[in-house]
Amino acid sequence: DIQLTQSPSFLSASVGDRVAITCRASQDINTYLAWYQQKPGKAPTLLIYAASTLPSGVPSRFSGSGSGTEFTLTVSSLQPEDFATYYCQQLNSYPFTFGPGTKLEI
Amino acid sequence: QLQLQETGPGLVQPSETLSLTCNVSGGSISSSRFYWAWIRQSPGKGLEWIGTTYYTGSTYYNPSLKSRVSMSADMSKNQFSLEVRSVTAADTAVYYCARHPGPKEGPDAFDIWGQGTMVIVSS
Repeated sequence: DIQLTQSPSFLSASVGDRVAITCRASQDINTYLAWYQQKPGKAPTLLIYAASTLPSGVPSRFSGSGSGTEFTLTVSSLQPEDFATYYCQQLNSYPFTFGPGTKLEI
Repeated sequence: QLQLQETGPGLVQPSETLSLTCNVSGGSISSSRFYWAWIRQSPGKGLEWIGTTYYTGSTYYNPSLKSRVSMSADMSKNQFSLEVRSVTAADTAVYYCARHPGPKEGPDAFDIWGQGTMVIVSS
């Protein structure tokens, strides 16, 4: 199985801050990586796919980069609604796996 | 607009079988364009992919659960289902169903999720 690690596990920030979350894969996954946002009591929502592509409707303050084994999710200017938990997921091969999550809090 | 809704019992006895259904509205599960997945999240924990099914009947399971899991689809009802056999407290989780577009059909990710259903394994 491909293991994903995320850092940091917790991130304390303020509105307006620029933050970055890293996801590392245990082997090369090309750009088969997605990022999700999850708020308490809600299902995850897709933020980024193919490492750097935003689905329609996702604010442009979110961006993704990376390929191979190292990926980054960046939020350029945090908004109040961005405080949530973020997960990466690899779709390079079965079994699909998720990272352990990064909780972004004020 | 496509919507997914998980249904099933909220409480299951240990050693019994957990059965859930994902009802799909606003789109057809018999389309060759999409795969359909189950994911779970134990309380306070991360996300675990359980398996994926395709309209052809092909299924892909997480090896960690493969011996206890089966998935199926009912095209006439536009729903797909999950069974987890011989459950223990470790299977207590929120279970989600989700859509995964096929190659060139959309985002290569789980782009639409159900709201999730909590299943507790307890006597």
